[in-house]
Amino acid sequence: EPEVTQTPSHQVTQMGQEVILRCVPISNHLYFYWYRQILGQKVEFLVSFYNNEISEKSEIFDDQFSVERPDGSNFTLKIRSTKLEDSAMYFCASGGANEQYFGPGTRLTVT
Amino acid sequence: AQSVTQLGSHVSVSEGALVLLRCNYSSSVPPYLFWYVQYPNQGLQLLLKYTTGATLVKGINGFEAEFKKSETSFHLTKPSAHMSDAAEYFCAVSDYNAGNMLTFGGGTRLMVKP
Repeated sequence: EPEVTQTPSHQVTQMGQEVILRCVPISNHLYFYWYRQILGQKVEFLVSFYNNEISEKSEIFDDQFSVERPDGSNFTLKIRSTKLEDSAMYFCASGGANEQYFGPGTRLTVT
Repeated sequence: AQSVTQLGSHVSVSEGALVLLRCNYSSSVPPYLFWYVQYPNQGLQLLLKYTTGATLVKGINGFEAEFKKSETSFHLTKPSAHMSDAAEYFCAVSDYNAGNMLTFGGGTRLMVKP
């Protein structure tokens, strides 16, 4: 059964560094998403991506964040100048218009 | 704006007992509603969804949920709990006018006692 994959599973970085989180969505899906879950808190929407552009973003998704689909398979989330409060589990999802399938997540730890 | 409220951050049932996890939502448009399950150290797995049509929807692992518009609810049930059902359950509503973003509830941790 096809699934969304994410790499790395765990990323440790120092404050101020840039990180790139990678996702391979399910191949025939057209919509791509990033969410995050700070430990003990709700899952929060970051951004949705369709037809090679951002279709919606939350107020969390400021200039520090960017997304890219550099080729036909990968979907990346870049976080510039990481802060301690960026520590969270980051989930990629892909799907059609009315369902989303999530990857296993990348745990980002900013020290 | 949409919102989701899950009553009870922790629910404990005995093995074989009924599972009832509550979810209420608010939405300015007809909602698409979802339940996801998260096992420890894993991602979110889609249990079931409601978009249109039949208001009682069946999902994987014997779970089902009923959309009740008048009560703005989408409660998740399972007739008989199994030890393997122990996990965190999230209710979510989709905003198809806003890039299909999912708004999640706070989650309910289900514990199953032997």
